Amino acid sequence: AQKITQTQPGMFVQEKEAVTLDCTYDTSDPSYGLFWYKQPSSGEMIFLIYQGSYDQQNATEGRYSLNFQKARKSANLVISASQLGDSAMYFCAMRESGSARQLTFGSGTQLTVLP
Amino acid sequence: NAGVTQTPKFRVLKTGQSMTLLCAQDMNHEYMYWYRQDPGMGLRLIHYSVGEGTTAKGEVPDGYNVSRLKKQNFLLGLESAAPSQTSVYFCASSYVGQGAHEQFFGPGTRLTVL
Repeated sequence: AQKITQTQPGMFVQEKEAVTLDCTYDTSDPSYGLFWYKQPSSGEMIFLIYQGSYDQQNATEGRYSLNFQKARKSANLVISASQLGDSAMYFCAMRESGSARQLTFGSGTQLTVLP
Repeated sequence: NAGVTQTPKFRVLKTGQSMTLLCAQDMNHEYMYWYRQDPGMGLRLIHYSVGEGTTAKGEVPDGYNVSRLKKQNFLLGLESAAPSQTSVYFCASSYVGQGAHEQFFGPGTRLTVL
């Protein structure tokens, strides 16, 4: 079974609008972490935001926030006030406990911000 | 600090040739990883290391070998390259301990096997 599922291969958003990128996960481990990475066309992987399974509040980092719904096993990334530079591939990833901190990645969502 | 660096950035091999990809990090991280990224897929873990002198298999280890002789370096070897190994290879490293401690990625190596 897929551990990380990103069901939106591509998304479009108008500049300055907010956009939500979906991520669902599957684990029986009570202790885990969820990450979002951005990969622009230049290819590098850029860490955006982290949510721990025991964190009570949703994580926020500037214009990025993580809508964490533990019971539904979802960890959606919300980007507010989209900018042209946000156009990129976005990956959701999960780290389970006792796993040498390895990450399991979803297949990604290609976000295009329209002017 | 350079962070995580990878050598080379691009390489073209013929089937059956061998090569070594070098990853170096200057952040004193204990953990290091090798991933491959194929079109339409996320990154998949090839091998990883939890410290100098240790290595372990990840999700897709076949056809690859690794070594971690020094803490700051993690080498990925292809003994007999196959077209199925055409991919972009990423090295990453991370800190040990509680908290987020995200993985830091290198810029990637684009490998084509003809």
